[in-house]
Amino acid sequence: EAGVTQFPSHSVIEKGQTVTLRCDPISGHDNLYWYRRVMGKEIKFLLHFVKESKQDESGMPNNRFLAERTGGTYSTLKVQPAELEDSGVYFCASSQDGEYYGYTFGSGTRLTVV
Amino acid sequence: AQKVTQAQTEISVVEKEDVTLDCVYETRDTTYYLFWYKQPPSGELVFLIRRNSFDEQNEISGRYSWNFQKSTSSFNFTITASQVVDSAVYFCALSAPFSGGYNKLIFGAGTRLAVHP
Repeated sequence: EAGVTQFPSHSVIEKGQTVTLRCDPISGHDNLYWYRRVMGKEIKFLLHFVKESKQDESGMPNNRFLAERTGGTYSTLKVQPAELEDSGVYFCASSQDGEYYGYTFGSGTRLTVV
Repeated sequence: AQKVTQAQTEISVVEKEDVTLDCVYETRDTTYYLFWYKQPPSGELVFLIRRNSFDEQNEISGRYSWNFQKSTSSFNFTITASQVVDSAVYFCALSAPFSGGYNKLIFGAGTRLAVHP
């Protein structure tokens, strides 16, 4: 089966611009997660979707970040306007059931804001 | 507070050496899960192991082994006879009910391992 797909793999944008990251989970996985790693620090949870609903968005840093999951399939994470501190690697993961068992991560999107 | 500490930022070894990556965790929960992930140069996070808090048996998988010690809140990872292909960033992680549920992983900062020929 195809894994979790993220694109773009890299994005370089200027401060103040908008960027949209996309994640395609494994087909049939209801649970989708976003994480990010900023400046070589720990990977931090951003939010969790169950199908198209946000189950937990406690990790979203501020209202410049907007996540959506259309029809419970792919998800997008939009940053608008981007700031320098948003630079990092954004990971997406999906799982089939509600409890952790089979979390599969994508390769991440490296975002650089200059 | 829930926290995972990986005190070693970078480790450099020569091929065939054994290397241990340290992981110390904090949690109020009595039931929790601990994980190790590998991030090779290609970027994806690769699952290595999941261990629940009630299972303190050490685990061995080929050249990899894990030592879980509840008394010291540690879950250390040892690679025996390291190889160049082991070069990667390794992350330790925790999930527990009080940290937001089993769905949310709390990661350490990672340890970058470089294995030289």
